[in-house]
Amino acid sequence: SQQGEEDPQALSIQEGENATMNCSYKTSINNLQWYRQNSGRGLVHLILIRSNEREKHSGRLRVTLDTSKKSSSLLITASRAADTASYFCATYHSGNTPLVFGKGTRLSVIA
Amino acid sequence: SAVISQKPSRDICQRGTSLTIQCQVDSQVTMMFWYRQQPGQSLTLIATANQGSEATYESGFVIDKFPISRPNLTFSTLTVSNMSPEDSSIYLCSVGAAGADTQYFGPGTRLTVL
Repeated sequence: SQQGEEDPQALSIQEGENATMNCSYKTSINNLQWYRQNSGRGLVHLILIRSNEREKHSGRLRVTLDTSKKSSSLLITASRAADTASYFCATYHSGNTPLVFGKGTRLSVIA
Repeated sequence: SAVISQKPSRDICQRGTSLTIQCQVDSQVTMMFWYRQQPGQSLTLIATANQGSEATYESGFVIDKFPISRPNLTFSTLTVSNMSPEDSSIYLCSVGAAGADTQYFGPGTRLTVL
């Protein structure tokens, strides 16, 4: 079952602009991950943020987590055409438990 | 990180037939998960496979339709039985382990049923 909701469902921006995607979830979590999927292929892990963390950075990626609002955001700065993909958030309790995915955001970066 | 391979990467099958998808991991892992991604949709968990025990299926998925094997800590198979066009999806396996936070995915198997 999916408990996450991403918004927007689709986002189209120009190369060089920033892209922000939001994810909301319904139940308490220990961990939240963001994944990227190119053209229906496998998922690539982008970044993990734990429930006791509020912000993490990885290269051009910035993830925030607000457990009081049960929401997370993914910011991609200085976007490139190669960032064109679907982005999913997924919540779970531990590495031994399955992921619950949001509906995803389809990002198109136009060169 | 874990390196995961899946076979086949894609297949086109006739309705009424069955397809077995293999998932191989380069290290021993506790849990393996099978997901389905229907066209244009997000991922939905089919079942959790723990080595040495029966797989645990999510609501809407049954063992007769999606039998799973987990013979050891590095390998699992998912069979899609008596296929219909509605089974056309990408099937992905992922792995997790006790004490590890990050879960990794295989490249997926793109199944088309005619």
